[in-house]
Amino acid sequence: DADVTQTPRNRITKTGKRIMLECSQTKGHDRMYWYRQDPGLGLRLIYYSFDVKDINKGEISDGYSVSRQAQAKFSLSLESAIPNQTALYFCATSDSGLRNTGELFFGEGSRLTVL
Amino acid sequence: GNSVTQMEGPVTLSEEAFLTINCTYTATGYPSLFWYVQYPGEGLQLLLKATKADDKGSNKGFEATYRKETTSFHLEKGSVQVSDSAVYFCALSGNNAGNMLTFGGGTRLMVKP
Repeated sequence: DADVTQTPRNRITKTGKRIMLECSQTKGHDRMYWYRQDPGLGLRLIYYSFDVKDINKGEISDGYSVSRQAQAKFSLSLESAIPNQTALYFCATSDSGLRNTGELFFGEGSRLTVL
Repeated sequence: GNSVTQMEGPVTLSEEAFLTINCTYTATGYPSLFWYVQYPGEGLQLLLKATKADDKGSNKGFEATYRKETTSFHLEKGSVQVSDSAVYFCALSGNNAGNMLTFGGGTRLMVKP
């Protein structure tokens, strides 16, 4: 089983619908992240959380919200989806403190299409 | 702020050819540098890293040397295989809070038999 699991893996929805992408991890890491991948733009950070009570905006947080329900769970919501939010979304985790090496551990991605 | 620039793809090579994917960066201080690889249908995984100037990261036949004087971290492999076909991302971890990663745009490599 994957250490970082994302659901759903694929989703097609319509403009204006609310969408939630979920992420769970078994690595025991404190830090969790949501990234968006678009062709040619690499990965851009949407939100990140360093522990259960910590939520921070990334470079492209507009139109998104997150919830850190537990150390192992971090969900991303699109309150009212729009077509330019069509992308591949990745959840990632990393260790913290002195154990942090900068390495991220990624889920397999959630492909979202907004019509 | 921090930024990473890598060559645009796709890069198409024949099996056993030599590979270079260029990566340059802009950062303050002394970042750590990474190459991540994304195989089709999968998430990114760490390929190699270097944490200080002149360090060489290596893994699976790939190498990259941290060159502070040219702010570069080019990825090389002497003989590519079809199984190396993937998207490669250069990234840096700056001196910001939490060692956040900044990614380049990715370079798609296609290796033909």
